[in-house]
Amino acid sequence: EAQVTQNPRYLITVTGKKLTVTCSQNMNHEYMSWYRQDPGLGLRQIYYSMNVEVTDKGDVPEGYKVSRKEKRNFPLILESPSPNQTSLYFCASSLVGGYGYTFGSGTRLTVV
Amino acid sequence: GENVEQHPSTLSVQEGDSAVIKCTYSDSASNYFPWYKQELGKRPQLIIDIRSNVGEKKDQRIAVTLNKTAKHFSLHITETQPEDSAVYFCAASYDFGNEKLTFGTGTRLTIIP
Repeated sequence: EAQVTQNPRYLITVTGKKLTVTCSQNMNHEYMSWYRQDPGLGLRQIYYSMNVEVTDKGDVPEGYKVSRKEKRNFPLILESPSPNQTSLYFCASSLVGGYGYTFGSGTRLTVV
Repeated sequence: GENVEQHPSTLSVQEGDSAVIKCTYSDSASNYFPWYKQELGKRPQLIIDIRSNVGEKKDQRIAVTLNKTAKHFSLHITETQPEDSAVYFCAASYDFGNEKLTFGTGTRLTIIP
């Protein structure tokens, strides 16, 4: 089944404790992206990747890192999480950038 | 960068009536406009999209219209049904194939039985 898999689905952590949210797709898509969803703000792009080893900042990249060492994986790294990063995070992939995104199930992150 | 405004933020319509959601964008270079539907607790899913060389596109009960001069586009849902209840997001991209997709803030649509 074609899908984008995110893990974990839920995560509660403490301020400053490094964490990684994994994202994997099995559709051989070149384009992958991370979004955060907050009430009243919609979906805001954090980082995106056009291919292996090619990444770029979205609209809200501060406090986040990404890497794209393999085509299928695009992890989101929070080196020192803060409470303002409490949010619902979505990973997405597409064959052609921005078109027909397939979203993962989401990761609800709470930083206390 | 691109800015997408979406209205209204909430919308309630009687089952069977039509619903219209409107978006405006700021960058005249944008030429790809998708719409996503997000049901409660689920992921966003693409429902329809339009490119700037087309003024209108229809798929069964949903349609999207685009006015490039005014820089706005709209989602129209006819004969609404309870399963249409969801949050709808519009988005805009500089170019078909450009990864930088900017979303609106969403419209919560409620269908009243």
